Amino acid sequence: DGGITQSPKYLFRKEGQNVTLSCEQNLNHDAMYWYRQDPGQGLRLIYYSQIVNDFQKGDIAEGYSVSREKKESFPLTVTSAQKNPTAFYLCASSIGYRGNQPQHFGDGTRLSIL
Amino acid sequence: AQTVTQSQPEMSVQEAETVTLSCTYDTSESDYYLFWYKQPPSRQMILVIRQEAYKQQNATENRFSVNFQKAAKSFSLKISDSQLGDAAMYFCAYRGGGADGLTFGKGTHLIIQP
Repeated sequence: DGGITQSPKYLFRKEGQNVTLSCEQNLNHDAMYWYRQDPGQGLRLIYYSQIVNDFQKGDIAEGYSVSREKKESFPLTVTSAQKNPTAFYLCASSIGYRGNQPQHFGDGTRLSIL
Repeated sequence: AQTVTQSQPEMSVQEAETVTLSCTYDTSESDYYLFWYKQPPSRQMILVIRQEAYKQQNATENRFSVNFQKAAKSFSLKISDSQLGDAAMYFCAYRGGGADGLTFGKGTHLIIQP
């Protein structure tokens, strides 16, 4: 079945450590997105990518980095510069980047600080 | 920047009754799209319904319908014949006609009373 796979489901980070969250999709979608969700909050956009080898900053990109070397993969690195990384991270994709094309979401990764 | 406001942190409804969740948004764009997403305890984001701003007709999907008032910038979700499985967080989301991601409200926690 086609879908979006995020791994790991739970991740722990030590102080000063970079960690990478994986997002893979087999939907043949061009556009991919990363969102952050804090308790009692809606989702906020971190980064997005319309095509391979291209990506754009969202509303809260500071302390994060991404790459898009393959169409199906859009990993997110949470760097040590992100001082408050504890949150639920959701990856999404859409067939294209037009506004009417709905985004489909993965099951998320919960990141916590040790 | 666009903003999305959900003024009801929590709503409760009896099973089989009808409930309406409110959403207002602020934008200066003329071309945009609106969505309602459902997030059950599993944390997966599920698309419920979407509305194109250029369409005057309100969108419907089985028991779910919207009341889209473009001039008032209002986009409420009506759930008819509420079922226990409808219990979840509901997020209203906005997307412009361009290529960036969704802007979410803070969500409404819907409780279904048996």
